Amino acid sequence: ETGVTQSPTHLIKTRGQQVTLRCSSQSGHNTVSWYQQALGQGPQFIFQYYREEENGRGNFPPRFSGLQFPNYSSELNVNALELDDSALYLCASSLSGGHEQFFGPGTRLTVL
Amino acid sequence: DAKTTQPNSMESNEEEPVHLPCNHSTISGTDYIHWYRQLPSQGPEYVIHGLTSNVNNRMASLAIAEDRKSSTLILHRATLRDAAVYYCILRGPFNDYKLSFGAGTTVTVRA
Repeated sequence: ETGVTQSPTHLIKTRGQQVTLRCSSQSGHNTVSWYQQALGQGPQFIFQYYREEENGRGNFPPRFSGLQFPNYSSELNVNALELDDSALYLCASSLSGGHEQFFGPGTRLTVL
Repeated sequence: DAKTTQPNSMESNEEEPVHLPCNHSTISGTDYIHWYRQLPSQGPEYVIHGLTSNVNNRMASLAIAEDRKSSTLILHRATLRDAAVYYCILRGPFNDYKLSFGAGTTVTVRA
């Protein structure tokens, strides 16, 4: 059984640029959630996708957007990057209605 | 979101039990108590969850107070690999989609 994978591992961008982060869900999982974790803090919920539709959103601006594909893999897109967007971005997959979320190792984004 | 309160840090010796407290005085009747942990340089990892009764699994035990306003995660024999940040999270009924992480408790295990 393959776990949740994310790419790339690390990424450096400059302010104003756009970035796309990718996540492959654990086999059989139909739900994916994205979280942002700033240094020294707990992860903050960005949004969740279920069957290719956004299923809930945290307190993040519209420049944070996402996609979920028919194979349940997912993308997180961030436009007009700001310095405060520097963080670890985590995705987590789960079965709808399941209690356990399975997290990937994260993508470390640095915005200069 | 109902809030949880945890100590910032705790220390333990290897092979001794660790009791991690969590207060959640505003918990609702349908909130589940979830625990996740995050090892250094890794994503969070599910540990255990419960509703009313105490729960045991291969990783830990969860003791829930009778009034459900507090709970304790118990690691029976701490190992160096248990050094992590432990998060106590309340989650609504099964179709509540997000996990609301706080700052968690940083556990240090001494050899």
